[in-house]
Amino acid sequence: KQEVTQIPAALSVPEGENLVLNCSFTDSAIYNLQWFRQDPGKGLTSLLLIQSSQREQTSGRLNASLDKSSGRSTLYIAASQPGDSATYLCAVKEHNYGQNFVFGPGTRLSVLP
Amino acid sequence: DAGVTQSPTHLIKTRGQQVTLRCSPKSGHDTVSWYQQALGQGPQFIFQYYEEEERQRGNFPDRFSGHQFPNYSSELNVNALLLGDSALYLCASSSWSGFYGYTFGSGTRLTVV
Repeated sequence: KQEVTQIPAALSVPEGENLVLNCSFTDSAIYNLQWFRQDPGKGLTSLLLIQSSQREQTSGRLNASLDKSSGRSTLYIAASQPGDSATYLCAVKEHNYGQNFVFGPGTRLSVLP
Repeated sequence: DAGVTQSPTHLIKTRGQQVTLRCSPKSGHDTVSWYQQALGQGPQFIFQYYEEEERQRGNFPDRFSGHQFPNYSSELNVNALLLGDSALYLCASSSWSGFYGYTFGSGTRLTVV
């Protein structure tokens, strides 16, 4: 059974710092991995989608990497801003059909002005 | 282009009652999934609908049922509500393969008292 964990559970940093969020999954046979952002009480906003054949994806100040063999992904946020404060969730999809994501518990990020 | 629309946004029900939540997928998407997110946890997959049939199901009891209509919109029904059913219910839509990623709605906050 696929299990996804995220470290750290919570993180508080001053504005301007670069930071790394970690995601681990137990079964490397994944179809893709997606990073989401969730603001309190809200739905999920997709940040980056990495297919199993890819190593990384970039969007603006965000960079996500994927190492399937070791079951790890990292989300790198450059020059953090207070507006980045949110919970960041990673989710893996195991099959090339359907929508059965397995989510991690999330990392709650606070960026202090 | 409208994203995923969920209704209602908030709902309060009494234990033992039944509830129906609704979801309209993003334009061009034909597959809908439902997730339950308890406070402080990652979303958990309930089930997924494609071509008006349930295609995958997570570890949820039969009290949770759904339906997909010809226009791809979907309903989630929960019978005999328990206090533990209180959560944010998220709907996600995509194409069947999900290759281009997924779009989540803002969710319905269900409180069972």
